[in-house]
This record gives sequence, C-alpha cells and structure tokens, in this order.
Amino acid sequence: NAGVTQTPKFQVLKTGQSMTLQCAQDMNHNSMYWYRQDPGMGLRLIYYSASEGTTDKGEVPNGYNVSRLNKREFSLRLESAAPSQTSVYFCASRRVSNEKLFFGSGTQLSVL
Amino acid sequence: SQQGEEDPQALSIQEGENATMNCSYKTSINNLQWYRQNSGRGLVHLILIRSNEREKHSGRLRVTLDTSKKSSSLLITASRAADTASYFCALYNDYKLSFGAGTTVTVRA
Repeated sequence: NAGVTQTPKFQVLKTGQSMTLQCAQDMNHNSMYWYRQDPGMGLRLIYYSASEGTTDKGEVPNGYNVSRLNKREFSLRLESAAPSQTSVYFCASRRVSNEKLFFGSGTQLSVL
Repeated sequence: SQQGEEDPQALSIQEGENATMNCSYKTSINNLQWYRQNSGRGLVHLILIRSNEREKHSGRLRVTLDTSKKSSSLLITASRAADTASYFCALYNDYKLSFGAGTTVTVRA
C-alpha cells in the first residue's frame, strides 16, 4: 500500500517551460488536493478536487491547471513556469467520510 | 484568509520536557487538525478536534480547543529527539484545509 505517490521528486525548469506534476493515490479516496509550501508561509492550497470529475480553485491558482484524470490520479500543470513558482509541491487525498489528509512526499521544483 | 497562526515560530527544549504550541484563528471552523512534518518529508496527521470538543488525547499528545477565544494548543509530553519536526495547525471548512506557517520544534538530547 503506497499511499500517495508524487512524481518527480525533483525538477529544475527554465522560465517559460511547461511541466506536469503527477499524483496518484491507492487508498480509494474521493478528494485530492495540491498545495505549495514556501519558507515561512506554511502550505497554500492551489487546487482541489472534491470528487472525481470536479475541480475547484484554492487560494493560489494563478499559473496552474489541474486534471482529475480518474479517481486515483490528480495532476498539476505549469503551462509557462515562472521563478515565483519555485516551491515544494505536495499532493494530498482523503476519504469523503474523514477530514484527515494523507500527504505525498513532495516535489521540489526550481524555476531558473 | 482563514489560516491559523501558530505561536511560537520556533521552540527548543531538552529531551524529557514538555512542548506547548498554540494556534489562533479568526473564522468559524468545522474542526481543527494538527500535523507534523519532518525535514524534507510530507505532512503526517496527528490529531483532529471538532468544534464541539474541548480536549483530546492521543498518546503523548494533548490538544485543547477554545472556540470562544478561537484558539487551540498542542502539548507534547515527555519529548523525545524523534519529536524534532515542524508542527502545523490546519482549519477545516468546506472540503478544504488551511494551514498556518508552523512551529519548528527542536528537542535537544
């Protein structure tokens, strides 16, 4: 039982490049989330998907897009990366009946 | 923003001592949760307290919630070196969790 798996673990991009961060969970959870963590700012919610087929903006959605591919997978796309998107990105999931989040181990992204 | 604010930002204690950190917030909440993050890792859920609860225990953890003061505290008793981590409070409302900036706890041997 792997839990929440994020790929890649590390990525370096040049300004303007695009990439997709992948997240998959094997716990049959309905809801999935993408957060970014910056020093001194805690975690900020980018997008979330309350259930398969739905996505909603969080606190800091600008510059990002998401796809809830199926119940297991929730991807985050940066269409044109900017240095301000340098951060650690975490994916999380939870059951409908339980408000507790399970987190992946994160993707460290640097945009030069 | 409905983030909680943790206090203190950092805490250094001797092994065996207790560690207390606080979380204040401004909005109404459904529940409040505490998470731990070890360096370079993802967050791990510690404990959840609902808005109609005042105190919960889990092993060496004790959480209190005062909705009239909009504040919560996390107490770790008899701390160990393995408790060295960052601790975050998170406010739950409308399917979403909002996190504070965290308290960094260092337990000295």
